[in-house]
Amino acid sequence: RKEVEQDPGPFNVPEGATVAFNCTYSNSASQSFFWYRQDCRKEPKLLMSVYSSGNEDGRFTAQLNRASQYISLLIRDSKLSDSATYLCVVNKGGTALIFGKGTTLSVSS
Amino acid sequence: NAGVTQTPKFQVLKTGQSMTLQCAQDMNHNSMYWYRQDPGMGLRLIYYSASEGTTDKGEVPNGYNVSRLNKREFSLRLESAAPSQTSVYFCASTRTGGIGETQYFGPGTRLLVL
Repeated sequence: RKEVEQDPGPFNVPEGATVAFNCTYSNSASQSFFWYRQDCRKEPKLLMSVYSSGNEDGRFTAQLNRASQYISLLIRDSKLSDSATYLCVVNKGGTALIFGKGTTLSVSS
Repeated sequence: NAGVTQTPKFQVLKTGQSMTLQCAQDMNHNSMYWYRQDPGMGLRLIYYSASEGTTDKGEVPNGYNVSRLNKREFSLRLESAAPSQTSVYFCASTRTGGIGETQYFGPGTRLLVL
């Protein structure tokens, strides 16, 4: 199993849709989990950290399932501005981070 | 605050040429990182510096050297560029390098090696 795996997409959805991204990770010792957002030809930026109990930030909800080593990101009421690549990021024991290849989202009007 | 800055933004090199990519942060962060991003690949760590005066290899260090010049600046040097080093290079920093900290990225340097 790859260290961090994501469905590359692209996910093409209309405005207002709900879309979910999944990510699996291989290192059971991983302790910190994140979703970063990367716009085309730009640097990655933190979207949200992912906590064991799950967490929500506006239209975005992140879930963590440690038993299945699985992370998800749910985006409700998609906006055109949500079009980007979403990177699943997991720490590799210690503080080193492993980045997934990213899932591309395209929201159309 | 400018955050993390990188120079140059773009560079074209011929095989065998050398160059240094510069990175600086004004957030008083202790830890700094260099990544490369290739099409269809996740970001891969080249080198990192947990604190001023220390550097360590990441996942893909071959062909690169780094210098943590001071707390603000962390440079990446290609001594003899190869086409396989064509990539987008991102510098990042974190406050202390602790688990769970946000990484702040610079805008990237796009490098083409012919």
